[in-house]
Amino acid sequence: EPEVTQTPSHQVTQMGQEVILRCVPISNHLYFYWYRQILGQKVEFLVSFYNNEISEKSEIFDDQFSVERPDGSNFTLKIRSTKLEDSAMYFCASHGMVADSYNEQFFGPGTRLTVL
Amino acid sequence: AQRVTQPEKLLSVFKGAPVELKCNYSYSGSPELFWYVQYSRQRLQLLLRHISRESIKGFTADLNKGETSFHLKKPFAQEEDSAMYYCALNPAFYGGSQGNLIFGKGTKLSVKP
Repeated sequence: EPEVTQTPSHQVTQMGQEVILRCVPISNHLYFYWYRQILGQKVEFLVSFYNNEISEKSEIFDDQFSVERPDGSNFTLKIRSTKLEDSAMYFCASHGMVADSYNEQFFGPGTRLTVL
Repeated sequence: AQRVTQPEKLLSVFKGAPVELKCNYSYSGSPELFWYVQYSRQRLQLLLRHISRESIKGFTADLNKGETSFHLKKPFAQEEDSAMYYCALNPAFYGGSQGNLIFGKGTKLSVKP
C-alpha cells in the first residue's frame, strides 16, 4: 500500500540555522499539507499546497517558513532561521482529487526537529 | 473560533470494559469530523469519519450537533486499542474545498489486561 514518506526521521540543528524537511507524498495525490506537533501539545496545521501554490496557511507559517515542490515527487518545508520554539514533530500529509466526498488525508511518520 | 476539545489526556480501562473518548467542537457551520488514531511508533491514521457512519474496529462515533460533540465509543475495549486518539474537524468541507484539519490535543487510551 502506498505511503507518505518523510526524511530525515530526526533532525538536530543549531538555532539560526536553516533546515529543510522532506516529504514524498503518495504519487497520484494532489493536495499536500504540513502540520506540526510541539511535545505535549496538539497537532497544528501549518500550510496546504495545491497546483504548485499555497492554498492556505496558518498564522504559525510566517516568513521564516516556505514550501516547495521542486520536482514531481518531493514536497519540502524550509525553515530559514530556526528558533528554539520550532522544536517539534513535523508531519506531512497528502490526499487525492476532490470528489463528492472527503478524501482521507494520509500522514507521513513525521520528522522530529530539535533546535539547540 | 474553530476549536476541538478533548477533555481527557489519559483514559485507562480494563480489557472488556466500555470506552468513551470525548470530543467537543466549536464551529458555527456544519463541520466534517474525524477520529484519527496513532498506535505506538506508527503514523497518524484515519479511524473513522462522521459522514460515512461506519464502525471501524468496533468503534463508532455519532455527531450530535445539539451538544456539538463527536464522542468515540466502543462497547468492549481490547488491549490492541491502546493508542493516542485525536478528534479532528475540517471546517471547509461543505464549502467545496479541502481545508486543513483542526485537531484536539488527543486522548491516550490505555487498555489493561
